[in-house]
Amino acid sequence: DAGVTQSPTHLIKTRGQQVTLRCSPKSGHDTVSWYQQALGQGPQFIFQYYEEEERQRGNFPDRFSGHQFPNYSSELNVNALLLGDSALYLCASSSTGARWNSPLHFGNGTRLTVT
Amino acid sequence: QQQVKQSPQSLIVQKGGISIINCAYENTAFDYFPWYQQFPGKGPALLIAIRPDVSEKKEGRFTISFNKSAKQFSLHIMDSQPGDSATYFCAAIPSGGYNKLIFGAGTRLAVHP
Repeated sequence: DAGVTQSPTHLIKTRGQQVTLRCSPKSGHDTVSWYQQALGQGPQFIFQYYEEEERQRGNFPDRFSGHQFPNYSSELNVNALLLGDSALYLCASSSTGARWNSPLHFGNGTRLTVT
Repeated sequence: QQQVKQSPQSLIVQKGGISIINCAYENTAFDYFPWYQQFPGKGPALLIAIRPDVSEKKEGRFTISFNKSAKQFSLHIMDSQPGDSATYFCAAIPSGGYNKLIFGAGTRLAVHP
């Protein structure tokens, strides 16, 4: 049973560029959340997608956007990259509309470096 | 802004010892308090979780203690093993129905043989 898969695993971009990260949720899961984890810090919630719509959003600028597809996979897009966007981007999936007691399963992340 | 504060930042324990990690939160409107374990190069994995109406939960060598009046909760790892060496995050899920996690900053645990 495949867990949460993310691609690519590593990515190097230049300031001002745009990037797209991809996530396939665990089989049977319908909700996808994205988190940003800066080095040495805890993950920070970016947003959550359910039924192909953004349901919740954290304190991130509009440069961060996302999408969920009918097969529940998701993309995270970041425009106009800044050096401060360098981080590990984690995708997490859960089931049944992601109520509080539905455990989150995390992927291994995409390491984004902005130079 | 809802926050979860975690301490210590790093912890060194001898094999067989007890590891204790503490967290405190600043808002009472949380439904659930999970702990996550993260190994280098991996995503966080759910370790154990507790609801605010329960004072203690034990799963194997891992125990959560919860003090609602003090807005504090802690993770105890009994008989710590070198394989427990990882970063541990406490988290809280705000009330509202959907499991958006508010994470602490993490504790890097090293268990020496």
